Amino acid sequence: SYVLTQPPSVSVAPGQTARVTCGGNNIGTKNVQWYQQRPGQAPILVVYNNNDRPSGIPERFSGSNSGNTATLTITRVEAGDEADYCCQVWDSRSHVVFGGGTKLTVL
Amino acid sequence: EVQLLESGGGLVQPGGSLRLSCAASGFTFYSYAMGWVRQAPGKGLEWVSLITGAGGNRYYADSVKGRFTISRDNSKNTLYLEMDSLRAEDTATYFCAKGDNGATMAVVVLWGQGTLVTVSS
Repeated sequence: SYVLTQPPSVSVAPGQTARVTCGGNNIGTKNVQWYQQRPGQAPILVVYNNNDRPSGIPERFSGSNSGNTATLTITRVEAGDEADYCCQVWDSRSHVVFGGGTKLTVL
Repeated sequence: EVQLLESGGGLVQPGGSLRLSCAASGFTFYSYAMGWVRQAPGKGLEWVSLITGAGGNRYYADSVKGRFTISRDNSKNTLYLEMDSLRAEDTATYFCAKGDNGATMAVVVLWGQGTLVTVSS
């Protein structure tokens, strides 16, 4: 089955740039989605198809995907961005695959 | 308003059964694949099952195959998950999820608020 690997945690100061990575075998050949999940809440989609944003998601959120690593980048980080971030791909054999999630802490 | 509302969670003994429901509103239900994603306490997201828009194809994670059954009633805009032979490791919040097209859940565009299933004696 296809596996996505994320770091357990990332810390960043307010106003700085946060980068959350998602590793997978040739993930660059797949479309990657990113979900934000605040404590006690349902996930919400923040990036889809590698670097598209749903309506209502700030331009501060962007994504990239190449080789074996996809990256979610959050610029000008705010306290409200503190949450868990999870990557996801569609795999023809494994279907819906999620990464383990990364806790973003705003210092 | 586009929304998904789950119900049916609760406490069940190991080996027992439970049926979850998800009422959808605000979109053309039959046009979209739907599924279930769960999250054990303090853990990450785990895909459980999905069903295509017309209901013709169903897929399951290996961890639930043979024990869980997904179905939908497009006349009632409702998604179901029948869970049998429940185990302690099935304890989780179960989220109803909407795909981005009728055939796959390549993108989960909408999530319900979740319903908690606890398997314990």
